[in-house]
Amino acid sequence: DVKVTQSSRYLVKRTGEKVFLECVQDMDHENMFWYRQDPGLGLRLIYFSYDVKMKEKGDIPEGYSVSREKKERFSLILESASTNQTSMYLCASNSIPIGDTQYFGPGTRLTVL
Amino acid sequence: GQQVMQIPQYQHVQEGEDFTTYCNSSTTLSNIQWYKQRPGGHPVFLIQLVKSGEVKKQKRLTFQFGEAKKNSSLHITATQTTDVGTYFCADQTGNQFYFGTGTSLTVIP
Repeated sequence: DVKVTQSSRYLVKRTGEKVFLECVQDMDHENMFWYRQDPGLGLRLIYFSYDVKMKEKGDIPEGYSVSREKKERFSLILESASTNQTSMYLCASNSIPIGDTQYFGPGTRLTVL
Repeated sequence: GQQVMQIPQYQHVQEGEDFTTYCNSSTTLSNIQWYKQRPGGHPVFLIQLVKSGEVKKQKRLTFQFGEAKKNSSLHITATQTTDVGTYFCADQTGNQFYFGTGTSLTVIP
């Protein structure tokens, strides 16, 4: 059974804190993605990675960075959290062939106070 | 990036009524995937459409890809309370997925 896990389901941080969101997949997928989901805006891509140490900006990378040191792990970093980064963060992975489905993690609901 | 619009944003139906959500783009879509997200859950893949004019069915769900590959639809016949959730379309271009804004379906028993 395919599995994408995220380090926390709920997280509360203060403005200015550095925040790490971890995502791990056990399917040996090449591609991994970080999205944020907000009401009325759907899923917006923050960053994705198609290989270890490789990363590409998505539609809304400002205020975020990522790290992929191992194939199975993709981390999202908020260097200095702000209240407008309060959101649901979803990690996903898929394999290289075009059209392969994305498998999503359970999500992390981050609240920045 | 790619703009994929989805309507309606919200839909309330009586159980047993039909439901349709539409996905539109001003540019040609590469291939369309549909996902369902239950309340409190994460998106789960439903189906993929690749060919112009393609129609696929899954029990009470019918998925269509427009002839010009600029729109897609998901139709549910005789909704049930288990259909509650948000339905997303997503266009895959290269390694990226561009998601629609989603349609939240509420089914009233």
